[in-house]
Amino acid sequence: AQSVTQPDIHITVSEGASLELRCNYSYGATPYLFWYVQSPGQGLQLLLKYFSGDTLVQGIKGFEAEFKRSQSSFNLRKPSVHWSDAAEYFCAVGAPNAGNMLTFGGGTRLMVKP
Amino acid sequence: KAGVTQTPRYLIKTRGQQVTLSCSPISGHRSVSWYQQTPGQGLQFLFEYFSETQRNKGNFPGRFSGRQFSNSRSEMNVSTLELGDSALYLCASTSSTGPTLYGYTFGSGTRLTVV
Repeated sequence: AQSVTQPDIHITVSEGASLELRCNYSYGATPYLFWYVQSPGQGLQLLLKYFSGDTLVQGIKGFEAEFKRSQSSFNLRKPSVHWSDAAEYFCAVGAPNAGNMLTFGGGTRLMVKP
Repeated sequence: KAGVTQTPRYLIKTRGQQVTLSCSPISGHRSVSWYQQTPGQGLQFLFEYFSETQRNKGNFPGRFSGRQFSNSRSEMNVSTLELGDSALYLCASTSSTGPTLYGYTFGSGTRLTVV
C-alpha cells in the first residue's frame, strides 16, 4: 500500500521569499503524484500532477514540483510567495490499480509574513 | 460550468442518529469519491463510485455507505452516528476512468458535527 509523509506540519515564510514544501512517498512502482491546496473552509484545489515523463512539472499559481525517484520525493516549490498563498497544502499519491483513490499526506500549513 | 456541489454545508446530529450527505458532480464526470477530513486523521478515503458501481472502499466500518445514481449524483450515509464521525466530508469528481489522469475537482464539503 502507498503512503505519503509531509514532514513539516507548519511553515512560515516572508512574502516574496522562496518556498519549498516537502513530500515523501512510499510506493513500489512509479506513482501518480499530486499537490493540492486547501483554503480555510474550502475544498481542495489541484495545483499540479505527475504521471510520467519530465520530472519537473509546472502547475497553477506559479508552483512547480520535482519528482525524484531516488529520494522518493515530490517537493513543491515557488520562487516568490504571495500573501494569498497562505493555506494548507497536501501531497497525494495514486496508483494504477487503485482507480481514482488517493492517499494524502498529513498536510503542511503555510503562513506568510508581511 | 458548475463545480461540485455538496449539500448541506453544515449539519448537526445527535449520537445514534443517521445522516445522508449529497454530492452533485461536475456535469459529465462519472467518478465520484468521498473523503473524510479530521484534524487527527487527516484526509481519508471512504469510497469511489463509477457508473453507479462502487470501485474502491477505504478502511471504514460498515456504518458508512454510499451510492451513485444514474445521473452520477452520489449520496453517502452514516448510520448510528458516533462523536468521532464529526468531520468535514469532501466529495470529489473526475471525468477520468482512472487512474486519476485529470485530477479531482473537490466540493467545499459538508461539515458534520455529532453531539
